[in-house]
Amino acid sequence: EPEVTQTPSHQVTQMGQEVILRCVPISNHLYFYWYRQILGQKVEFLVSFYNNEISEKSEIFDDQFSVERPDGSNFTLKIRSTKLEDSAMYFCASRHGQGNTGELFFGEGSRLTVL
Amino acid sequence: GIQVEQSPPDLILQEGANSTLRCNFSDSVNNLQWFHQNPWGQLINLFYIPSGTKQNGRLSATTVATERYSLLYISSSQTTDSGVYFCAAAPYNNNDMRFGAGTRLTVKP
Repeated sequence: EPEVTQTPSHQVTQMGQEVILRCVPISNHLYFYWYRQILGQKVEFLVSFYNNEISEKSEIFDDQFSVERPDGSNFTLKIRSTKLEDSAMYFCASRHGQGNTGELFFGEGSRLTVL
Repeated sequence: GIQVEQSPPDLILQEGANSTLRCNFSDSVNNLQWFHQNPWGQLINLFYIPSGTKQNGRLSATTVATERYSLLYISSSQTTDSGVYFCAAAPYNNNDMRFGAGTRLTVKP
C-alpha cells in the first residue's frame, strides 16, 4: 500500500543550526502538508502546498521556515535557525484531492530535538 | 480558522466496555477524519467521514454535518485501543485540516 515516508526519523541539533526534514508523499497526490506536534500537545498545522506553491500557512510558519519540492518526489521543510521551542515531532501528509476533498495520509514523523 | 473541540479529554475504561468520543466543529466542513495516535506517535487513519456513517470492525463513526459534530464509537474495547484519538476537520474554503486537542483513552485489563 502506498505510504508517505519521512526522513530522518529522529534528529538532534544544536540551537541556531539549520535543519532539513524530508518527505516523499504518495506518488499521485497533489496536496502536501507539514504539521508539528510538541510533546503531549495537539497536532498543529504549519503549511499546505499545491501546484508548486504555498496554499496556506499558519502563524507558526514564520520566516524561519520554508518548504520546497525540489524534484518530482521530495517535499522538504527547512528550519533556518532552530530554537529550543522548535523541538517537536514534525509530520508530513499528502492527499490526492480535487478541490478540498480527499483523505489525508500521514508519514510516521520526524522527531526534532534542539539542544 | 475552523475550531475543533473534542470531548472528553480523558477516558478510562475496563476492557470490554463501549465508549463514544465526540468532535464538535465551528464551520461547515468538506473534510473530516478520525485518527488514532499509537504509543509510538504514529497517526493511524481510522475514518474519512465528512458526512454519514461508516463502520470498521469494532469501530464506527457518524458525522452530522448540518449540526457540526462527529462521533466515534468504540465497542468491546481492548487494551490495544489505548492511545489518543484525534478528530481533524477542514472547512469548504480552506485546505488546512485543523486538529482537536484529542481524547486520551486508557483501556485497563
